[in-house]
Amino acid sequence: AQKVTQTQTSISVVEKTTVTMDCVYETRDSSYFLFWYKQTASGEIVFLIRQDSYKKENATVGHYSLNFQKPKSSIGLIITATQIEDSAVYFCAMREGSNYNVLYFGSGTKLTVEP
Amino acid sequence: DMKVTQMPRYLIKRMGENVLLECGQDMSHETMYWYRQDPGLGLQLIYISYDVDSNSEGDIPKGYRVSRKKREHFSLILDSAKTNQTSVYFCASSPPRLANYAEQFFGPGTRLTVL
Repeated sequence: AQKVTQTQTSISVVEKTTVTMDCVYETRDSSYFLFWYKQTASGEIVFLIRQDSYKKENATVGHYSLNFQKPKSSIGLIITATQIEDSAVYFCAMREGSNYNVLYFGSGTKLTVEP
Repeated sequence: DMKVTQMPRYLIKRMGENVLLECGQDMSHETMYWYRQDPGLGLQLIYISYDVDSNSEGDIPKGYRVSRKKREHFSLILDSAKTNQTSVYFCASSPPRLANYAEQFFGPGTRLTVL
């Protein structure tokens, strides 16, 4: 079974708007880490933002923020004031405390930001 | 500067030839990984290395082997490459559990074409 699921294959938005990308995960661990990565058109994979399971506050970095809904096992990525250069594939990932060395990835959501 | 490097970036080989992909990191991370990514798909884990000469199969190890003789270097070897091994290969490294950050760092990828 998939541990990390991204159901949105692709999303298209207009520049300067806000977009939310969904991700649900599955774990029995009480301690885990959730990540979002961005893969640019050049193929580079860049870490964006992280949420620790024990933290109640949603993480925020620049114009990226997370919507962490623990009871729903959901970790949405919110990008505000989108820019053309935000166009990329976004991957959600999870690391469990009991299996720390393995990072489970979702299948990715392709975001296109249009002018 | 925290960095993962990969060589070569592009490689074309004929079926049956041997392939060596190299990865380096400058963060003294114990754990390193090899993934492959096929079009439209997420990252598939080939091998994990927990430290020098301590390697473990990932989800798709068949047709691959690895070598880690120094902590900062991790090699992926394809003995007698097959056309279905045409893919983009990513190397990554990961901090230890007690580090104050948990994200994996990825190399720029190697695009391998097997003709």
